[in-house]
Amino acid sequence: QKEVEQNSGPLSVPEGAIASLNCTYSDRGSQSFFWYRQYSGKSPELIMFIYSNGDKEDGRFTAQLNKASQYVSLLIRDSQPSDSATYLCAGTSIGGYQKVTFGTGTKLQVIP
Amino acid sequence: DTGVSQNPRHKITKRGQNVTFRCDPISEHNRLYWYRQTLGQGPEFLTYFQNEAQLEKSRLLSDRFSAERPKGSFSTLEIQRTEQGDSAMYLCASGRGPQETQYFGPGTRLLVL
Repeated sequence: QKEVEQNSGPLSVPEGAIASLNCTYSDRGSQSFFWYRQYSGKSPELIMFIYSNGDKEDGRFTAQLNKASQYVSLLIRDSQPSDSATYLCAGTSIGGYQKVTFGTGTKLQVIP
Repeated sequence: DTGVSQNPRHKITKRGQNVTFRCDPISEHNRLYWYRQTLGQGPEFLTYFQNEAQLEKSRLLSDRFSAERPKGSFSTLEIQRTEQGDSAMYLCASGRGPQETQYFGPGTRLLVL
């Protein structure tokens, strides 16, 4: 079982819609979670991080964390074609050395 | 530019040759990470430094791979006797402490022929 799992997609949404990206994790020791956006051929770019249960909003992005369900999500409101990319979910554990484990990513396509 | 930088950006080499990549982290970051990413996969953790100390290495890091961060600033990743399976994007990231986010450099794309 992979430690961080994502649906590889592609997830297609029309321009202006809400895109919902989901991620589950198996390590209950995971404390912090990150969403990165990666355009083809480029390196990952941080979108958001979250470490408390609940929602965290930043502009058009909302990250949601439910530690009881071991579930993390990212909502993108008013999706734009420029949001088309692969979105990587990552989790880290506290205690000992900080190791970040990435999912395989979900490819998002925003259709104009 | 105060971001993470990596050199070279691209490297083509023949099987059996040695290659070395360099990473310059964000200056105030004491943590430095190396990852490898292949097509369709997320970044895979290779190794991690806190200052000059290499504190963790993945099992992915065979004895052909070695990483250093001699003065706690820049880091090098060397691959000896490269194999075609080493072809990948090698990513460096830096951060400042527990729970801190990691910021990635542009990566070095390696192709082993």
